[in-house]
This record gives sequence, structure tokens and C-alpha cells, in this order.
Amino acid sequence: QVQLVESGGGVVQPGRSLRLSCAASGFIFSSYGMHWVRQAPGKGLEWVAVISYDGSNKYYADSVKGRFTISRDNSKNTLYLQMNSLRPDDTAVYYCVKELLTAFDYWGQGTLVAVSS
Amino acid sequence: QSALTQPRSVSGSPGQSVTISCTGTSSDVGRYDYVSWYQQHPGKAPKLMIYTVTKRPSGVPDRFSGSKSGHTASLTISGLQSEDEADYYCCSYTGTYTVFGTGTKVTVL
Repeated sequence: QVQLVESGGGVVQPGRSLRLSCAASGFIFSSYGMHWVRQAPGKGLEWVAVISYDGSNKYYADSVKGRFTISRDNSKNTLYLQMNSLRPDDTAVYYCVKELLTAFDYWGQGTLVAVSS
Repeated sequence: QSALTQPRSVSGSPGQSVTISCTGTSSDVGRYDYVSWYQQHPGKAPKLMIYTVTKRPSGVPDRFSGSKSGHTASLTISGLQSEDEADYYCCSYTGTYTVFGTGTKVTVL
């Protein structure tokens, strides 16, 4: 069965960096686009970034462009999100998500990132 | 990258039908047949309910159906059940990125 397991979240001070990882299993990871989606406490879903199946194309939400970098290692079945210059409004649960025809068919359990001094 | 517009809440009695609207623009909902819907219970990850406007993933009850007209997509829940009480989000592809709706809380009276 498909499993997506995020890790790397935690409490970090404003301006610092954090890298999230997502270990994928149960499907051919190298065949699918992958996304990060976040949800601030008590708020709605916000799309963050996408990477194509082979890593050749990447797109970002305006709110994170220039600060976050999405990447993948298909040899390790792992997705990453490098987050730099973190701000308090980046506080959220970050979900790793598998794409199906531009929809999101499998979600991880999420990892909480809290940006606070 | 403006969020799609959904009503804040809808409600219905068990067995009734409710419809959630999702209004976008000519750059997203109106341009692509790549609208999806997600159900989220408190403290849980979202679950895909509808993709490419009308398709249901395996395991999703046929009480859930999707449609689209112009810039507005809709999710209809027929025969409302208590377990349908949750938050629902629409989502649309825009050509390069993805945008979610503002979210709708469905309450079963």
C-alpha cells in the first residue's frame, strides 16, 4: 500500500532553516509528480510546491518562492523541502502528497513546523 | 494565486442532499477540467473524493458527485450521513501551479 512518511518538522526561530523529508513506498516513486501542501493551525489548505516525476520541473507558491526549494532523490524514494528564511506565517502542518492527474490521491500524516522566537 | 471561493458552511439533515460551490476564474476552474475535491475530518489528513471534475477514486461512495459549469465547480453529497460531517476543499490546476478553495464546513443536523 502507498505510504508517505514526513519527518524533519519542529520548532525553529524566525530567519532559520529547516529541511523536511518524505519517505515514499508502495508505488513507483520515480513515475509521479510530488507536492508539498501546508495547513496553518485552524486554517485552510495551501499548496506550496510541486516537482515533476524526474525533477526537471518545479513550481512554487508566491508565498514561498525564493525561500523554499523542492527536490527529490528517486534512488532513495524520497522527497525534500528545504525551507530557508522561515517566518512566523510559515507555521503549519506540512503534508507530502502524491499526484494523480493534477489531483492529490495520497497524503502523508503531516509534520508540524512552528516558527517562533 | 488567489484562493477559489467556497461558502463557509452548509448543513443538512440525514438523508438530504447538499451542494458545495467552488468559484474560480477563467485561469483555473473555467479553463481546465482538473478540479478535485477533498474531505478533511478534524486532526486528519485530507482525503481525495473527486478528481478531474467528476471521477470518484475507488472506495469513495457514489453519494459524492462532482460537476462544473463555467467558472464554478460543485460537489454534491446525496443521502447525507453523519460521517459526512467534515471540512471540504476544492482544488484546481492553473497550468503551472495549484490553488485550493477557502474550505466549507458541512454540518449534519
